[in-house]
Amino acid sequence: DTGVSQNPRHKITKRGQNVTFRCDPISEHNRLYWYRQTLGQGPEFLTYFQNEAQLEKSRLLSDRFSAERPKGSFSTLEIQRTEQGDSAMYLCASSLGGGLRYGGTEAFFGQGTRLTVV
Amino acid sequence: DQQVKQNSPSLSVQEGRISILNCDYTNSMFDYFLWYKKYPAEGPTFLISISSIKDKNEDGRFTVFLNKSAKHLSLHIVPSQPGDSAVYFCAASALSGTALIFGKGTTLSVSS
Repeated sequence: DTGVSQNPRHKITKRGQNVTFRCDPISEHNRLYWYRQTLGQGPEFLTYFQNEAQLEKSRLLSDRFSAERPKGSFSTLEIQRTEQGDSAMYLCASSLGGGLRYGGTEAFFGQGTRLTVV
Repeated sequence: DQQVKQNSPSLSVQEGRISILNCDYTNSMFDYFLWYKKYPAEGPTFLISISSIKDKNEDGRFTVFLNKSAKHLSLHIVPSQPGDSAVYFCAASALSGTALIFGKGTTLSVSS
C-alpha cells in the first residue's frame, strides 16, 4: 500500500450530470476525510468518516453531495446535478486515529480528483 | 471569515538562505497547528506540527514557532534548497473539532 489513491484523476462533465469519485485510503487508517480545493484557496473540509460512520459534515456539503464509506474501507463522493461552481480539486485524506494530537498519525492526502463542469 | 490567514501569496529566496513563512489565526480555540507542503499535481504532504503547549518545534531544517498571544506561527526553513520550492499551507485544528482549517497557502520559490 503506497498511499491514498483517488480515481479518477480528472473528470469533465456537463452541468446537470451526476459524478462519483472514489478514494482508497491507507489500509490500516480508520479515519477518512474529504476536502475541496479551488484555485487560490487552501483545502476546505467537507466531511469525515470514522470507520463506516460519517461523523461530521461541513455546511459546504450541500444536499447535492453525498459521501459513503460502506465497509469502512474505500469511500465514494457523489455530486448530483453538477453546477459550474462545483469545479474544483476534490481531495481525500486518511489518518490513523484522531490525528497527531491524539497519538495517531497525520492526515495523508491523495493526489485529488480534478472536476471540471462545463 | 477566514480563520487561518497566510497573507503572503508568494516568497522568493536564494538557495542556502532562510525562508520564513508566516501564518495568523483568529480562532482562539485552535490549539494544534500543522504545515503541509504541496507540489503541483500532488496532494499536500505533512511537514511539521506544533501543539499550543509548545512555542517551538524543530525537525531537521524545518522549525515552527508559535506565538499564542499574537495568534501567529511561522515556519523557518534553513538552509533553503531548490527542492523546497512548493506551496506551503498552514493548518489549524481545535480540540473540539476534527477538521483541519487551512490557509490559502504561500508559494515558495528557491533559486539556485
